[in-house]
Amino acid sequence: GAGVSQSPSNKVTEKGKDVELRCDPISGHTALYWYRQRLGQGLEFLIYFQGNSAPDKSGLPSDRFSAERTGESVSTLTIQRTQQEDSAVYLCASSLHKGGAGYTFGSGTRLTVV
Amino acid sequence: AQSVTQLDSQVPVFEEAPVELRCNYSSSVSVYLFWYVQYPNQGLQLLLKYLSGSTLVKGINGFEAEFNKSQTSFHLRKPSVHISDTAEYFCAVIPTGGGNKLTFGTGTQLKVEL
Repeated sequence: GAGVSQSPSNKVTEKGKDVELRCDPISGHTALYWYRQRLGQGLEFLIYFQGNSAPDKSGLPSDRFSAERTGESVSTLTIQRTQQEDSAVYLCASSLHKGGAGYTFGSGTRLTVV
Repeated sequence: AQSVTQLDSQVPVFEEAPVELRCNYSSSVSVYLFWYVQYPNQGLQLLLKYLSGSTLVKGINGFEAEFNKSQTSFHLRKPSVHISDTAEYFCAVIPTGGGNKLTFGTGTQLKVEL
């Protein structure tokens, strides 16, 4: 597609429920990233996919967080047993290749856990 | 590892005045540098980037930044701001040698007033 598409744009969920966030990267972009942005804070790296290589999961905050990507297409970020501290904007980005190309970001999913 | 410091969390400025948003970084390896802008309820948009060559980089919307290797800085400037420049601005770096994720600063909120 023309840009990085994320869905849903907003999600309100009850504490303890599981949520799934979706990211559709730009066609042909081999690299895909998930970041978390808490209110009033910077961007926190979560996970990185590059082609068919093993993902870099070093930023995932707990085992309640997981992500998948099939090939160079859609990625889903799953948060199990959501907690109030999971409330944030989850941003997805893709790039043509790693390094200096810079990222193209989606508009994000605003997750609110009540 | 890399780190990015944006010392000013908020910068108020009157319309048509000049502005400088400061960014300093720390890295044991050479890096590419980026500035992103985030308008309310939107994702991040690339303003400009420094990869190599001239240390003065021009970006969109009249912004420019200067890379200073000795001071490890990449300050963002605009000679005359507009109300529409009100947004959050993020500085970010990535290693030139193939790093796989951008490291972001905590952001600077630019508020342009009449």
